[in-house]
Amino acid sequence: DAGVIQSPRHEVTEMGQEVTLRCKPISGHNSLFWYRQTMMRGLELLIYFNNNVPIDDSGMPEDRFSAKMPNASFSTLKIQPSEPRDSAVYFCASSFITGELFFGEGSRLTVL
Amino acid sequence: KQEVTQIPAALSVPEGENLVLNCSFTDSAIYNLQWFRQDPGKGLTSLLLIQSSQREQTSGRLNASLDKSSGRSTLYIAASQPGDSATYLCAVMGGDSSYKLIFGSGTRLLVRP
Repeated sequence: DAGVIQSPRHEVTEMGQEVTLRCKPISGHNSLFWYRQTMMRGLELLIYFNNNVPIDDSGMPEDRFSAKMPNASFSTLKIQPSEPRDSAVYFCASSFITGELFFGEGSRLTVL
Repeated sequence: KQEVTQIPAALSVPEGENLVLNCSFTDSAIYNLQWFRQDPGKGLTSLLLIQSSQREQTSGRLNASLDKSSGRSTLYIAASQPGDSATYLCAVMGGDSSYKLIFGSGTRLLVRP
């Protein structure tokens, strides 16, 4: 398997624009997690899905953030409208129930 | 609320030394604990996974232990090498059916040649 695949790897956008980050989890995994990493706050769990159903979105910072998982092989994290403080590296990770967690390479977002 | 702490925040050692990284957590009701490695600009790579019923796991020069009752885990790295330089993070998965993985802030390790 190719591992967790995220796109884009880098995104530079202007304040107010919509940003969509994409993730393809490892085949067979039934849990998917979105994390955000910054120097100041470290790794923060934004939302996670189990069997394509959002279980806990308490980490989503505000209504500007939304995430979907329409099927077992694809998830998106959308920010609309984006703000400079959203600049961070966004990671997607997947696992099978309580098993080992595998991370993608991350999407580095810069909002000007 | 589960909190995960890692000490020290940074560590610099000469090549060849054996070293220990520490991780503590506040809620002992966990499913598992994982240690990860992160290189600059990269994603996280899983090193070891310890289930709540286990006390330790080993992989090559790495050994991780888990003491749930005291809320502690240690990552032991034997005969450190410059290639071990990275940030090491521990994370615990809650045993409250939430399946959340909560991370510590990491230990930045530098192994000097």
